[in-house]
Amino acid sequence: GENVEQHPSTLSVQEGDSAVIKCTYSDSASNYFPWYKQELGKRPQLIIDIRSNVGEKKDQRIAVTLNKTAKHFSLHITETQPEDSAVYFCAASGRDDKIIFGKGTRLHILP
Amino acid sequence: KAGVTQTPRYLIKTRGQQVTLSCSPISGHRSVSWYQQTPGQGLQFLFEYFSETQRNKGNFPGRFSGRQFSNSRSEMNVSTLELGDSALYLCASSLTGTPTYGYTFGSGTRLTVV
Repeated sequence: GENVEQHPSTLSVQEGDSAVIKCTYSDSASNYFPWYKQELGKRPQLIIDIRSNVGEKKDQRIAVTLNKTAKHFSLHITETQPEDSAVYFCAASGRDDKIIFGKGTRLHILP
Repeated sequence: KAGVTQTPRYLIKTRGQQVTLSCSPISGHRSVSWYQQTPGQGLQFLFEYFSETQRNKGNFPGRFSGRQFSNSRSEMNVSTLELGDSALYLCASSLTGTPTYGYTFGSGTRLTVV
């Protein structure tokens, strides 16, 4: 079945700097890659997603890139702000439509 | 419109007992998936129901089971509770059986087994 690896598990960046979270997936049939943000004590919320027929997608300060050949996808957050502090989960969905999540990255934005 | 509703929010049970958790998806959503969230393990997939049928199942023991009703509400049952079952249980609903529109998660049920 699908396996999703996510790195790093913890990331600290200065406010205003960029943050990058990387994921790899195992099932070459995976075709949908969402990213979720979970603030402390709250539910995970979808922040951006990308499909396998697209290499990059941007939404304001957030961008996701996908390399199908290498089975890598990454989340990029530019000009980080205190409210970006949260746990971020990458995920992949493939032939059986179930979404498999990585173990999460705890992002700390330092003042 | 109402979001995904999970009840109860908190639960304390004793080892060996059983527990039932409930999830009401967004109106019109037919797919409900369940996840177990623990520190360090992220979100682990339990199972997914679509139109009252279990479509997918994760790698959890048979003590974990679920069902979905005709109104798309879903229940998850855990029998013979173990200390390691303590976790936040999240359900997520989606419009169709294909998750390419993303999931909407509920707030979760925090289960503590003592």
